[in-house]
Amino acid sequence: GAVVSQHPSWVICKSGTSVKIECRSLDFQATTMFWYRQFPKQSLMLMATSNEGSKATYEQGVEKDKFLINHASLTLSTLTVTSAHPEDSSFYICSARVAGRDSNQPQHFGDGTRLSIL
Amino acid sequence: SQQGEEDPQALSIQEGENATMNCSYKTSINNLQWYRQNSGRGLVHLILIRSNEREKHSGRLRVTLDTSKKSSSLLITASRAADTASYFCATDEGGGFKTIFGAGTRLFVKA
Repeated sequence: GAVVSQHPSWVICKSGTSVKIECRSLDFQATTMFWYRQFPKQSLMLMATSNEGSKATYEQGVEKDKFLINHASLTLSTLTVTSAHPEDSSFYICSARVAGRDSNQPQHFGDGTRLSIL
Repeated sequence: SQQGEEDPQALSIQEGENATMNCSYKTSINNLQWYRQNSGRGLVHLILIRSNEREKHSGRLRVTLDTSKKSSSLLITASRAADTASYFCATDEGGGFKTIFGAGTRLFVKA
């Protein structure tokens, strides 16, 4: 149980393109999802916390207008990288916690999206 | 901000040996978690230890937590080549709402 599906797994596109990444909880409801960015051989950097039905909470230094997050339902959150440039190339990973559980629960991760901007 | 710092950064061992990874953190926590990441994949939760626990076991995994020293260790016994991966500790922050990951230890187990 507690499967998170992330799509697409790999994107290559031209500079200036906007890219949407989907994160779905397949067998549970997630009021909160998290979006991370990971550079090669580095740790995960939390970008934002996505809350169902409300605005996302962004970490310091993360541009809200650049990384648009929508959490329209209890099973889907999307991250849109707007007007992507080569410096946005990275590995993006989403995660979710089961709704109604306290913080003493693990996060369940998608398999990540590798974004390459040419 | 990164809560957990891990050492070593990289570890190479022979199959059958034990692997020990350490994690230190800075503030008070409700729990500490260990995750595993295979190259190019998402993270898989391994084990969660609460702040009032000192040791926890799961199969070949043994986790200890010392809240007085703000540190934790992950021991993998009788390692296998399939254990080759990056291992991250993670702690809660902001009242336990969000999880912050350490820098990770890259483990390479040679067959």
